[in-house]
Amino acid sequence: DSGVTQTPKHLITATGQRVTLRCSPRSGDLSVYWYQQSLDQGLQFLIQYYNGEERAKGNILERFSAQQFPDLHSELNLSSLELGDSALYFCASSPRDLPYEQYFGPGTRLTVT
Amino acid sequence: GQQVMQIPQYQHVQEGEDFTTYCNSSTTLSNIQWYKQRPGGHPVFLIQLVKSGEVKKQKRLTFQFGEAKKNSSLHITATQTTDVGTYFCAGLNQAGTALIFGKGTTLSVSS
Repeated sequence: DSGVTQTPKHLITATGQRVTLRCSPRSGDLSVYWYQQSLDQGLQFLIQYYNGEERAKGNILERFSAQQFPDLHSELNLSSLELGDSALYFCASSPRDLPYEQYFGPGTRLTVT
Repeated sequence: GQQVMQIPQYQHVQEGEDFTTYCNSSTTLSNIQWYKQRPGGHPVFLIQLVKSGEVKKQKRLTFQFGEAKKNSSLHITATQTTDVGTYFCAGLNQAGTALIFGKGTTLSVSS
């Protein structure tokens, strides 16, 4: 158990819909990272937040957005869902003094039908 | 953009055989990290290498960072069935803001 929690574990929804994935980082970690993992694209970095502020952006679609709240939990919002958005979405957090040593949560498996 | 390539994509070995996965970057890396993901699980941080030519060992696992800091390898000696999973390398992007993951090498071990 990495100490990072993610909910829900599974999500099934229809095309065009909007979903919100939630992540709580390890206690004391200020950074939260979101990744998308699909079979053909591997593990793709989406976005990073540090202490409530966006720190870096990766291959995140405009239909996707995220935020980090004052209590440091983060939410990833996916809208106008397409079949190709079906994937595992991981959240990770990192320690203050080891910023790139990332601890991954169990992931949310999103299925878009 | 920066790319991190890993080979092989898949490797099957008999228990007791050695295994090596290689990671190559299109650009010089500040550091490189290795992660392991068991089937149905999430990536788990294994190690970080920072210095040119660095070699680190964790029991049967040996990690190397190339002299030019553009490649790395993970070698497992005498594999066990518990070693099955996908091994990812990840390099810090040029801006220093994000990890770029390789596509991973999936190891299967038969007893």
